[in-house]
Amino acid sequence: AQSVTQPDIHITVSEGASLELRCNYSYGATPYLFWYVQSPGQGLQLLLKYFSGDTLVQGIKGFEAEFKRSQSSFNLRKPSVHWSDAAEYFCAVEILTGGGNKLTFGTGTQLKVEL
Amino acid sequence: DGGITQSPKYLFRKEGQNVTLSCEQNLNHDAMYWYRQDPGQGLRLIYYSQIVNDFQKGDIAEGYSVSREKKESFPLTVTSAQKNPTAFYLCASSIMTNEQFFGPGTRLTVL
Repeated sequence: AQSVTQPDIHITVSEGASLELRCNYSYGATPYLFWYVQSPGQGLQLLLKYFSGDTLVQGIKGFEAEFKRSQSSFNLRKPSVHWSDAAEYFCAVEILTGGGNKLTFGTGTQLKVEL
Repeated sequence: DGGITQSPKYLFRKEGQNVTLSCEQNLNHDAMYWYRQDPGQGLRLIYYSQIVNDFQKGDIAEGYSVSREKKESFPLTVTSAQKNPTAFYLCASSIMTNEQFFGPGTRLTVL
């Protein structure tokens, strides 16, 4: 069965520092990959997605992610973190089933930004 | 503005009662989903529907029921059979193989 692993439960960075959030997936074929962000008590907002093509994808709010097939990874990066980036981040993989497409989410990484 | 609405934002239920969470979308999306979110566990799929009058169980469907009588609406009923219903519930919709758009969520608390 497919799975998504986000090994870092909590990460703390200083404002202005660079950020990398890790995501590894287990899936037999090339998956569709997503990063979402969630502020406390809110729904999820899509940051970026990878379907095919260029393995470095750009998203909103200055985020980017790189798909590495050999490492089954899709890590999220940002060169300079802002205090407003503090939130929880979820990596997800989409699979196609007989009943349609489904998302499997990682357990999330909580980002704290120190001023 | 197009989007997904969930109501109510907060819901309190006594043990043994059924409760229905509302999810409405005006994005003209075919597919709709219900997720449950618990701290440290990410999002887990409860039910999903690709077309009207059809839906499939997700990973944790026990104790829940849904209906899809209209394209715009996908209500979730949390029944008394759900042993631990206190959680944050998120509804989403999508155009088949594309990103899912999420509603603001409903926080259910069992008293």
